Amino acid sequence: DAKTTQPPSMDCAEGRAANLPCNHSTISGNEYVYWYRQIHSQGPQYIIHGLKNNETNEMASLIITEDRKSSTLILPHATLRDTAVYYCIVRVSTDKLIFGTGTRLQVFP
Amino acid sequence: EPEVTQTPSHQVTQMGQEVILRCVPISNHLYFYWYRQILGQKVEFLVSFYNNEISEKSEIFDDQFSVERPDGSNFTLKIRSTKLEDSAMYFCASRDDRSRETQYFGPGTRLLVL
Repeated sequence: DAKTTQPPSMDCAEGRAANLPCNHSTISGNEYVYWYRQIHSQGPQYIIHGLKNNETNEMASLIITEDRKSSTLILPHATLRDTAVYYCIVRVSTDKLIFGTGTRLQVFP
Repeated sequence: EPEVTQTPSHQVTQMGQEVILRCVPISNHLYFYWYRQILGQKVEFLVSFYNNEISEKSEIFDDQFSVERPDGSNFTLKIRSTKLEDSAMYFCASRDDRSRETQYFGPGTRLLVL
């Protein structure tokens, strides 16, 4: 599975969009990009995933560059409850998830 | 909304003792997982389980660990002889066969080995 690189931490003002980047320059053609988050040692929570096209659901949007070497998770209107560690995971296998260190997002009032 | 549940939420045990961590996956799910997270470290995959068999296991999942689905609802992780370094949060996860991408995680069991 491809390696991902994320900034260790980011801040965002409440109500603003939070844009979390992820680099996955070694991604191969059949590898999906997944995003999970972990709020204060709770179980990881699935957010969104994509292969090539941009994706949107009720939680977030995922923008994948045309060359697929990077992506951005967008939380359109961040709230205090979005404070968490966000993990970008690239994988082919539908079984195990390999978590990195993620980005610690702090949403402030 | 259905969710994965885990019991106990906290477990304290003495080194060398056996512990069993319990999980109730979401009812129509067919694939089950255990992960662990040592304090301050990454979430690590331990094992995946499908059709009453281990599908994949990590290097961490040695002979001291075992998993079982004793009935139609529970999924357990047993550590036969706990070590200090087994102290961690243990997360159970499950998924169905339709939404293959989405693993749903439980709230975790915090295990402390003294």
